[in-house]
Amino acid sequence: ETGVTQSPTHLIKTRGQQVTLRCSSQSGHNTVSWYQQALGQGPQFIFQYYREEENGRGNFPPRFSGLQFPNYSSELNVNALELDDSALYLCASSLGGPDSGEQYFGPGTRLTVT
Amino acid sequence: GDSVTQMEGPVTLSEEAFLTINCTYTATGYPSLFWYVQYPGEGLQLLLKATKADDKGSNKGFEATYRKETTSFHLEKGSVQVSDSAVYFCALRNRRGNNRLAFGKGNQVVVIP
Repeated sequence: ETGVTQSPTHLIKTRGQQVTLRCSSQSGHNTVSWYQQALGQGPQFIFQYYREEENGRGNFPPRFSGLQFPNYSSELNVNALELDDSALYLCASSLGGPDSGEQYFGPGTRLTVT
Repeated sequence: GDSVTQMEGPVTLSEEAFLTINCTYTATGYPSLFWYVQYPGEGLQLLLKATKADDKGSNKGFEATYRKETTSFHLEKGSVQVSDSAVYFCALRNRRGNNRLAFGKGNQVVVIP
């Protein structure tokens, strides 16, 4: 059984640019959640995808968007990058729909915005 | 809204010492409570959980009891090892809240040989 994988591992972008982060869910998991973890802080919920639709969103602006594909993999897109977007981005997959299931986390993508 | 508060600051202790990390929460209803651990350069791993009041979660010598009367879920281990050095996060999941996890800020634990 393959765990949650994320790519790339590290990324450096310039303020104003756009970035796409990718996540492959654990086998059979149909729900994906994305979290932002700033340095020295706990992860903050960005949004969740279930059946290819956004199902709940945290306190993040619309320039944070996502996609979920039929194979349950997912993307996080961030437009107009700001310095404060520098963080570790974690995705977590779970089974059983948005209201149930243990979340399994990937290793994260470290984004640095300069 | 739902929130989790962890005690301030890193925790440094000697090998075989007793570890306690305090966690309190604010939530409506009956959330599930979790402790996650993050080793250097890695993602989050679930350490233990409890889904209702008075439940005790345990794993790898760590324990935490869901105390609804004090809205707490303190993490304890009787004898820590150097390999327990990591960042520990307390989190809650509210059944109303589409499975999202609300995390505390985390506590860095450093165990000295």
